Amino acid sequence: DAGVTQSPTHLIKTRGQHVTLRCSPISGHKSVSWYQQVLGQGPQFIFQYYEKEERGRGNFPDRFSARQFPNYSSELNVNALLLGDSALYLCASSPTSGGVAKNIQYFGAGTRLSVL
Amino acid sequence: GENVEQHPSTLSVQEGDSAVIKCTYSDSASNYFPWYKQELGKGPQLIIDIRSNVGEKKDQRIAVTLNKTAKHFSLHITETQPEDSAVYFCAASKVRGNAGGTSYGKLTFGQGTILTVHP
Repeated sequence: DAGVTQSPTHLIKTRGQHVTLRCSPISGHKSVSWYQQVLGQGPQFIFQYYEKEERGRGNFPDRFSARQFPNYSSELNVNALLLGDSALYLCASSPTSGGVAKNIQYFGAGTRLSVL
Repeated sequence: GENVEQHPSTLSVQEGDSAVIKCTYSDSASNYFPWYKQELGKGPQLIIDIRSNVGEKKDQRIAVTLNKTAKHFSLHITETQPEDSAVYFCAASKVRGNAGGTSYGKLTFGQGTILTVHP
């Protein structure tokens, strides 16, 4: 079975531009979370979506937004890019059991965003 | 909010030795503690996890211990091999339920430990 897939793998943008990152969860997983990992640090939580609704938001500015589609894939959007947004953006999906999202999370390989 | 501290930041061992990485957390309500291994250019891979109702869990050469009173948990790798070389992250999560019966929890990660196993 395919794991969590993310696209694109690498992206280069300039300051002020907009970016959209995409994530497909493991088949059957309905919960998707997004994390930002700056070089040399642990991942930081951005958003969690379950059944197409936002269930959690980390300490990130409103320039960051996300959504989840009926097929449970997800997009992360970042507006007005800053140099400090350069990072590895990770998507994770979680299985459900009996209609309940479990807290175990499986990560994709990430999208490496460079802002120049 | 939750804060997770991880030590050491770097760890160098000889092949066959044991490696121990320690983490402390601040929120006593946290009840799920996974460990991830991240290799260069890849996403974090879950290697073992433990829930707060268990004190210890083993999976072959890997074990995790949890001390809820002291709010710390540790990863133990025995008989280390060069392929164990990677960055290891601990994390903590607080699973909660709502009226809809959904449970979920964001992961708060430690800063990571660079493990190097020398042949």
